[in-house]
Amino acid sequence: QQQVKQSPQSLIVQKGGISIINCAYENTAFDYFPWYQQFPGKGPALLIAIRPDVSEKKEGRFTISFNKSAKQFSLHIMDSQPGDSATYFCAARDNNNDMRFGAGTRLTVKP
Amino acid sequence: ETGVTQSPTHLIKTRGQQVTLRCSSQSGHNTVSWYQQALGQGPQFIFQYYREEENGRGNFPPRFSGLQFPNYSSELNVNALELDDSALYLCASSFYSADTQYFGPGTRLTVL
Repeated sequence: QQQVKQSPQSLIVQKGGISIINCAYENTAFDYFPWYQQFPGKGPALLIAIRPDVSEKKEGRFTISFNKSAKQFSLHIMDSQPGDSATYFCAARDNNNDMRFGAGTRLTVKP
Repeated sequence: ETGVTQSPTHLIKTRGQQVTLRCSSQSGHNTVSWYQQALGQGPQFIFQYYREEENGRGNFPPRFSGLQFPNYSSELNVNALELDDSALYLCASSFYSADTQYFGPGTRLTVL
C-alpha cells in the first residue's frame, strides 16, 4: 500500500548539524505533502507542509524542498538540537483524503 | 481549547473478538480521520468522517467500520479481530476534510 518511500531509516547528527530526510512518491494525484514529528508514546505532530505549486518552504529551522518533476521532496533541519531527536514521517495526500505516510526516519541528535 | 483525545489508552483483546475505540475531536473540528500504525511503521489511512458521513477510505476490509456523532466525536469498530490488527490506532481531527490534521495520542491495541 505504501506509495511514499522515505530514507534513511535512521540518522545520527551532531548538535548544530544539518539533518536531511528524503522522500519519493509515485502517485501524481498527490497534492499536499506534510512532514510529521513523533515522540515515543505520542501521536504525530505536524511540522511543516507544502503544496506542489512551490519548490521550497521554510519555517524557522525547518525547510521543505520539493521537486515536482522528480517526484521527490525532502526535509532539512538546520542547527539540529538534541530536542529534535524523534521519528519523522513524510506523507502525501490525494484529493480523496487518502494520506500515505513514509516508513519513518529515527533521528538522533548527539550533544 | 482541548486537543484530540482517545480512549482507552491501551486495550488487550483475543482473536475473533470485537473492539470499539473512541475519539473526541479538537474543539471546532468537524472531520475525523483514523489511522493504523504498526510498530516501526508509518500510519496507514483507514477512513475519514466529515459531518457524520464517510468521506474517503483506505485499503482496509469492511470489518473496520466507523461512526461520527453530531458532536463530531467518532468511533472505530473492528470485528473478528486478527493478530495483525495489533497496532497503535490514531485519530486525527481537522476543521474540514482538506485542512491540517491534529493527531491524538492513540490507542494501543494488542490482539492475543
